[in-house]
Amino acid sequence: AQSVTQLDSQVPVFEEAPVELRCNYSSSVSVYLFWYVQYPNQGLQLLLKYLSGSTLVESINGFEAEFNKSQTSFHLRKPSVHISDTAEYFCAVGENSGYSTLTFGKGTMLLVSP
Amino acid sequence: DVKVTQSSRYLVKRTGEKVFLECVQDMDHENMFWYRQDPGLGLRLIYFSYDVKMKEKGDIPEGYSVSREKKERFSLILESASTNQTSMYLCASSVRQGAHEQYFGPGTRLTVT
Repeated sequence: AQSVTQLDSQVPVFEEAPVELRCNYSSSVSVYLFWYVQYPNQGLQLLLKYLSGSTLVESINGFEAEFNKSQTSFHLRKPSVHISDTAEYFCAVGENSGYSTLTFGKGTMLLVSP
Repeated sequence: DVKVTQSSRYLVKRTGEKVFLECVQDMDHENMFWYRQDPGLGLRLIYFSYDVKMKEKGDIPEGYSVSREKKERFSLILESASTNQTSMYLCASSVRQGAHEQYFGPGTRLTVT
């Protein structure tokens, strides 16, 4: 069975500072990985995904994540955050078999202050 | 653009009532999912369906049932609502197999009093 650990429930940062949100997973088969973002009172939106190929993936709003198979990690980073990045971020893992279900981490709340 | 809609954003029901949450997707996706989201617990899968009239239990199916009579519609049913079912309910859809993301609806915040 797969599992996802998001090590920090809350990450407070100042605007324009860099940030890293950590995600570790466990699985016995090959995986694909996602980061989703949830703004207040909204559903989840896909931020970026790793399916195969290049281990560094980027989103259109400046976030990036690197798939590290040896460390079973998929940490999310942004070099300079904005107030508008304040949201909850979820890491999710899926396996290349079965019904394409995903297992989600418990989420990390990113709090950006001026 | 994929669109997943849920019938209500906010719902208040009484203990013991039968509750229906509806979800509709417009992308002809085979898979549909129901999750509940609680603070500190993340998303937990209640049920999913990979085809019309097909369903599979997720991690926390107790107290819930589902119905999928048409490909685009997936309903979550609380047969007798209880206060511990107060939560945010999220519906999602995806292509059936392989490495594909799930697309989420806006969620229904259900309060059972």
